Amino acid sequence: GIQVEQSPPDLILQEGANSTLRCNFSDSVNNLQWFHQNPWGQLINLFYIPSGTKQNGRLSATTVATERYSLLYISSSQTTDSGVYFCAVERKSSGDKLTFGTGTRLAVRP
Amino acid sequence: DADVTQTPRNRITKTGKRIMLECSQTKGHDRMYWYRQDPGLGLQLIYYSFDVKDINKGEISDGYSVSRQAQAKFSLSLESAIPNQTALYFCATSDSTGIHNEQFFGPGTRLTVL
Repeated sequence: GIQVEQSPPDLILQEGANSTLRCNFSDSVNNLQWFHQNPWGQLINLFYIPSGTKQNGRLSATTVATERYSLLYISSSQTTDSGVYFCAVERKSSGDKLTFGTGTRLAVRP
Repeated sequence: DADVTQTPRNRITKTGKRIMLECSQTKGHDRMYWYRQDPGLGLQLIYYSFDVKDINKGEISDGYSVSRQAQAKFSLSLESAIPNQTALYFCATSDSTGIHNEQFFGPGTRLTVL
């Protein structure tokens, strides 16, 4: 199956700092999604981004499909950004099944 | 109101008991999924259904069964629960007719098997 690797595994930031999270995947994909899992366990959709660049407020994401990686940028971090960020991909011909990375755990300190 | 709901949200049970987790959606999506998440890990696919008559096994289906009672309802059963099935369970939906096959997740069910 497809391999999905996220880095760094853990990240501690001071409030107001910027960060970049990376997702590498081992095969061509139809779908790539970024999620934020908050401290209560809920999964929140951040981006659907199989290619290109998108921005939503302080968050933006870029996927370079030909080089098999995606980046999630968090600017001016806030304590509410804390949690785990997951990248999930659907390999071409896998029939709509997402494979998740193991996540980046982010803690933003006030 | 939430588009994807799961019941119960929390459940503690004993080894050997039969458990059913339920998922309902109001998004009108045709595809539904069940995932489990173990502590510190990503999600793994248990079962998925592309329509009412289509059920497929995922990566970790052993010990689980599912039922797609209607387009909007997809339930997951543990016939005889065991402690290593303690996990956070998520239901998800997607729309095969849309431009994007983006998946949307319910709030999760935290299951503890003693």
